[in-house]
Amino acid sequence: QEQLVESGGGVVQPGRSLRLSCAAFGFTLSKYAMHWVRQAPGKGLEWVAVMSYDETYKYYADSVRGRFTISGDKSKNSLFLEMNSLTPDDTAVYYCAREDTVPFWGRGTLVVVSS
Amino acid sequence: DIQMTQSPSTLSASVGDRVTITCRASQTIYSWLAWYQQKVGKAPKLLIYKASNLENGVPSRFSGSGSGTEFTLTISSLQPDDFATYYCQGYKDYSSWTFGQGTKVEIK
Repeated sequence: QEQLVESGGGVVQPGRSLRLSCAAFGFTLSKYAMHWVRQAPGKGLEWVAVMSYDETYKYYADSVRGRFTISGDKSKNSLFLEMNSLTPDDTAVYYCAREDTVPFWGRGTLVVVSS
Repeated sequence: DIQMTQSPSTLSASVGDRVTITCRASQTIYSWLAWYQQKVGKAPKLLIYKASNLENGVPSRFSGSGSGTEFTLTISSLQPDDFATYYCQGYKDYSSWTFGQGTKVEIK
């Protein structure tokens, strides 16, 4: 059964860093473009970043460009989001999602940026 | 960048009502449009993909239509489990994922 499982969320102080992971089960992650999407408490869905299947192309939302880095590890069948210089505005549930004719999402991991 | 405009932002309806939500793209996304249902504290649940295709297991009272820049989600007979927030998503290519602002369907 195909699954995407996010981890690495938690409470972090402003200015600090956090690394999110997204493990894929039941399919090979490196065959697909993969996205990160976030949702702040009580707000809508916001696209964050995407990586092409071969990691050639990486695009970021204006709100995170220069602070967040998307990457992958084929040996771990996993996707990552390195988040630096975090601010309270980055507080959100972060979802990884597979680019496909039928989009496929994980259940998310919560990041809280607070002192 | 492609922008998605979803309306209405809130919708009050009764069980059994026919409900329609609209999503407009700022440029053509052909049929690359998905609809999600989200309940509080839960991940978005895919309902419709490629504008009109019902995801496995989703009740047939949900339907999607449209192409190009105008899309609709219709619930033919609203059920108690359908009170939730709905989002459209354009996904023409991997560099252009974008979401509508959401429509909260409330009990009238």
